[in-house]
Amino acid sequence: ILNVEQSPQSLHVQEGDSTNFTCSFPSSNFYALHWYRWETAKSPEALFVMTLNGDEKKKGRISATLNTKEGYSYLYIKGSQPEDSATYLCAFPGTYKYIFGTGTRLKVLA
Amino acid sequence: DGGITQSPKYLFRKEGQNVTLSCEQNLNHDAMYWYRQDPGQGLRLIYYSQIVNDFQKGDIAEGYSVSREKKESFPLTVTSAQKNPTAFYLCASSIAAQGNEQFFGPGTRLTVL
Repeated sequence: ILNVEQSPQSLHVQEGDSTNFTCSFPSSNFYALHWYRWETAKSPEALFVMTLNGDEKKKGRISATLNTKEGYSYLYIKGSQPEDSATYLCAFPGTYKYIFGTGTRLKVLA
Repeated sequence: DGGITQSPKYLFRKEGQNVTLSCEQNLNHDAMYWYRQDPGQGLRLIYYSQIVNDFQKGDIAEGYSVSREKKESFPLTVTSAQKNPTAFYLCASSIAAQGNEQFFGPGTRLTVL
């Protein structure tokens, strides 16, 4: 059974703090790892699609790294802002199916 | 604008009734998916379809049914056999090839009274 785990489950940080969360996934049969951002009352939106071991991708203040050999990915947010408050999901595409983690709920306090 | 629409946003159902949730996409995606979210849990796959007129059960298909008669539409019926249907339902689509990002609709919150 494939399992994708995220930690922490929730996180409160002050505006301006940097933060990071973890996604753990099966290291065998790796194809890709997705990060999604899900704001309240909106649809989840893809942040990153990561495919290569050692990949590092960046979008503004948000970046992600990938280690396929040990089966984890980190998402970093530098200088958190209130608008970064959201649930961050990772997903592991299997054959025709995507397995999602439970998400990390981030709240940035002004 | 291309995207995925789901309707209705909120739905109330009496016990014992079937109800159908709509999902439409104009992204020309072959693959479509239905997920369910419950508090404290990740998105769980109900059904998926890789191509028109074909669909497969996901991890929690019992009490649900789907159809895929058109590429752009993938309605989900929650039947009276679903023991605990109150949840948030998300529809998604993607280019069919494995590993492509998914695009999500805004969701439908179903409450059974």
